[in-house]
Amino acid sequence: DAGVIQSPRHEVTEMGQEVTLRCKPISGHDYLFWYRQTMMRGLELLIYFNNNVPIDDSGMPEDRFSAKMPNASFSTLKIQPSEPRDSAVYFCASSLTRDQPQHFGDGTRLSIL
Amino acid sequence: DQQVKQNSPSLSVQEGRISILNCDYTNSMFDYFLWYKKYPAEGPTFLISISSIKDKNEDGRFTVFLNKSAKHLSLHIVPSQPGDSAVYFCAASTNTNAGKSTFGDGTTLTVKP
Repeated sequence: DAGVIQSPRHEVTEMGQEVTLRCKPISGHDYLFWYRQTMMRGLELLIYFNNNVPIDDSGMPEDRFSAKMPNASFSTLKIQPSEPRDSAVYFCASSLTRDQPQHFGDGTRLSIL
Repeated sequence: DQQVKQNSPSLSVQEGRISILNCDYTNSMFDYFLWYKKYPAEGPTFLISISSIKDKNEDGRFTVFLNKSAKHLSLHIVPSQPGDSAVYFCAASTNTNAGKSTFGDGTTLTVKP
């Protein structure tokens, strides 16, 4: 089992640019989660999907953030335009059911200059 | 309002001794609790969980205790090993929104040889 795969591992870009983070969940997992980890706010849930449908996006900070899951094996988190305060580590996770523990990817470290 | 709190940012113990990591929560609707372990540059990995219908769950060297009246849970590691050195996150969710886990800020455990 390859686990949850995130790309890129690191991203450095200038403010105002569009940033796209990618995630491939574990095959067969029906739930996919996007988290952001910062020193100030810790690990916070941004959005999660069930069977490719967004269930709870209350953690998405503002309209500059959007997430999609076009199929069961791929999801994106997009920030447009990016700002320095978006700098963080973004994690994707997946789980078999909503009651099962989540499997996390290794994260994308995003730096907005 | 932080609903899950890990008040000790760090803990240092000697190899072979017991490590006790604590977690407090404020939301009485939480009924499922998990502990995750995180190494640097990796995503969190699931360690152990407990449902609110239990007050103890054990898995090898790891035991989680839940005190619902005090809204407190703890993770015991016995005996502690240097490889246990990591950041430990406590997480909680409700039955009505089981996909939405709320995480504490984490405790960095250092086990000294």
